[in-house]
Amino acid sequence: GAGVSQTPSNKVTEKGKYVELRCDPISGHTALYWYRQSLGQGPEFLIYFQGTGAADDSGLPNDRFFAVRPEGSVSTLKIQRTERGDSAVYLCASSPGTSGRWETQYFGPGTRLLVL
Amino acid sequence: AQSVTQLDSHVSVSEGTPVLLRCNYSSSYSPSLFWYVQHPNKGLQLLLKYTSAATLVKGINGFEAEFKKSETSFHLTKPSAHMSDAAEYFCVVSANQFYFGTGTSLTVIP
Repeated sequence: GAGVSQTPSNKVTEKGKYVELRCDPISGHTALYWYRQSLGQGPEFLIYFQGTGAADDSGLPNDRFFAVRPEGSVSTLKIQRTERGDSAVYLCASSPGTSGRWETQYFGPGTRLLVL
Repeated sequence: AQSVTQLDSHVSVSEGTPVLLRCNYSSSYSPSLFWYVQHPNKGLQLLLKYTSAATLVKGINGFEAEFKKSETSFHLTKPSAHMSDAAEYFCVVSANQFYFGTGTSLTVIP
């Protein structure tokens, strides 16, 4: 079946601009996660949704970052007033949402964001 | 608190020789542990996971890992490296969100 998809695959923007990154999870998965992977590093947690609500947003670095999942499927990560330090690969993952921390998370290919 | 330490940032082996990628973890409770692989310009792929059913876990492509509670380790091994194994490997401890290690880059020399 279809895996997790993310669009766009690449995004180049200018400092100060607003960007939206989209994630389509595996159909039926109620849990959705966003991570950020900087060059040479492991992915770092940003936010976790269970259904439509953000169950844990402790990883969002500041109030320029926001994510929504209004219908419990597709999610959008929004970054306002982008900074060069926001350049990274943004990864989305989903899981069934029934077994908590024992669940495998399935990752999308990521969106590579470059802020000039 | 949960954390993961991957002890080697780079490992280089010859094709056909064993692979050992080391991982130590810290967890506030009984851990769930994963190994993921990331090939260049590809997404993260699950290799294997430990969920307390058995301490020796077998994964895809001939990889396996052994959970050792006394050593708080979850090292990844493979008896014989193949060229296609060259990639970045991440050890992960889960507490709903995933805590990733910094990764180990595996090079396989022909």
